[in-house]
Amino acid sequence: DGGITQSPKYLFRKEGQNVTLSCEQNLNHDAMYWYRQDPGQGLRLIYYSQIVNDFQKGDIAEGYSVSREKKESFPLTVTSAQKNPTAFYLCASTRGGMSQPQHFGDGTRLSIL
Amino acid sequence: AQSVSQHNHHVILSEAASLELGCNYSYGGTVNLFWYVQYPGQHLQLLLKYFSGDPLVKGIKGFEAEFIKSKFSFNLRKPSVQWSDTAEYFCAVGASGTYKYIFGTGTRLKVLA
Repeated sequence: DGGITQSPKYLFRKEGQNVTLSCEQNLNHDAMYWYRQDPGQGLRLIYYSQIVNDFQKGDIAEGYSVSREKKESFPLTVTSAQKNPTAFYLCASTRGGMSQPQHFGDGTRLSIL
Repeated sequence: AQSVSQHNHHVILSEAASLELGCNYSYGGTVNLFWYVQYPGQHLQLLLKYFSGDPLVKGIKGFEAEFIKSKFSFNLRKPSVQWSDTAEYFCAVGASGTYKYIFGTGTRLKVLA
């Protein structure tokens, strides 16, 4: 069954730590996205990648970093520079072309200890 | 800048009532429009989409939406809601040429049995 796998489901971070959220897809999709979901704010775009080894900042990229070394993988690192990292993070992918819908993972909930 | 507005943040209906959720967007070019649903504890999934052709589109579970270009709107409708429609609904725009999807802030629907 094709889909997007995000891990872990829950993640806790201490102040000053970097943490990496995993996102893997076996849909053979070219484009991948990271969103942050906060109550009442919808989904806000952090980073996106159209092809391997290329990615662009979204609307709220500060304090985050990504890599796209493989087509199926798009990990997100939440750095210590992100002052308010507690949120629900969603990874998505699309086949390509803006008329295509996005497929979403189950999300990772990050909390600060 | 592109934006998507969902004016109803919380909606409470009784079963069998009719539903209409508003979605307005701002973008002057060609758009692709989506409605996604997030049931409690589940990942975001596509309800319906519009990218060309008949402006009245039908989706899963009896939902439909109408694209009115002159009003920059893509409202979601369902003639008779069920308790199982309790979820959060997101409108999204994929603006051609941008590779980005813009989401509204979401509408939480609660259907009372």
